[in-house]
Amino acid sequence: QSVLTQPPSVSEAPGQRVTISCTGSSSNIGAGYDVHWYQQLPGTAPKLLIYGNSNRPSGVPDRFSGSKSGTSASLAITGLQAEDEADYYCQSYDSSLSGHNYVFGTGTKVTVL
Amino acid sequence: EVQLLESGGGLVQPGGSLRLSCAASGFTFSSYAMSWVRQAPGKGLEWVSAISGSGGSTYYADSVKGRFTISRDNSKNTLYLQMNSLRAEDTAVYYCAKGVTVVVTANDAFDIWGQGTMVTVSS
Repeated sequence: QSVLTQPPSVSEAPGQRVTISCTGSSSNIGAGYDVHWYQQLPGTAPKLLIYGNSNRPSGVPDRFSGSKSGTSASLAITGLQAEDEADYYCQSYDSSLSGHNYVFGTGTKVTVL
Repeated sequence: EVQLLESGGGLVQPGGSLRLSCAASGFTFSSYAMSWVRQAPGKGLEWVSAISGSGGSTYYADSVKGRFTISRDNSKNTLYLQMNSLRAEDTAVYYCAKGVTVVVTANDAFDIWGQGTMVTVSS
């Protein structure tokens, strides 16, 4: 029961654009905590894709971009490629739970048609 | 090359114990907080525990508090997770993940992940 909600799946043809939403609340994204995004290719470990809402680590193509507004964040993938087919997770922090709580989104499977 | 390599997973009976290890290389291990994140079969990611670079501060998800203990040996560049009183719902792939600062902060991202080690709790 994650506090960050993502659509279960999105699909689009190669070359097109997809966006993945990450909806939170006033105790996590809306409280100003950073949102990070991870890509998990089938059978592999997650990989950091976007950090600090909109920053790309070295080596991540500029086809990937992140944004944040209010209680939500979004990941956009432009020029979709077959190699982008993967699960994507957002991550933030939630202050409503006891203790220290990093929280992940429910995850979104991207399918390239 | 920056690398994390987990080990210690396996099959354990409910109520049993297991100790996971994560060997780090390619970076100054003591300069970064570290976390354990798990993923149950076919499910999403769940943060489990974090520890500061010095090892002086530790944090746990409510689901494991009182049963799991995170620790690190900076002289051996190794992170540990001692798991006691294991339950079926602890069955998952356990990843170690590197933080981006020496202290555990709310805005941390995990920039390096290990390949994971599978823990199965079943009789």
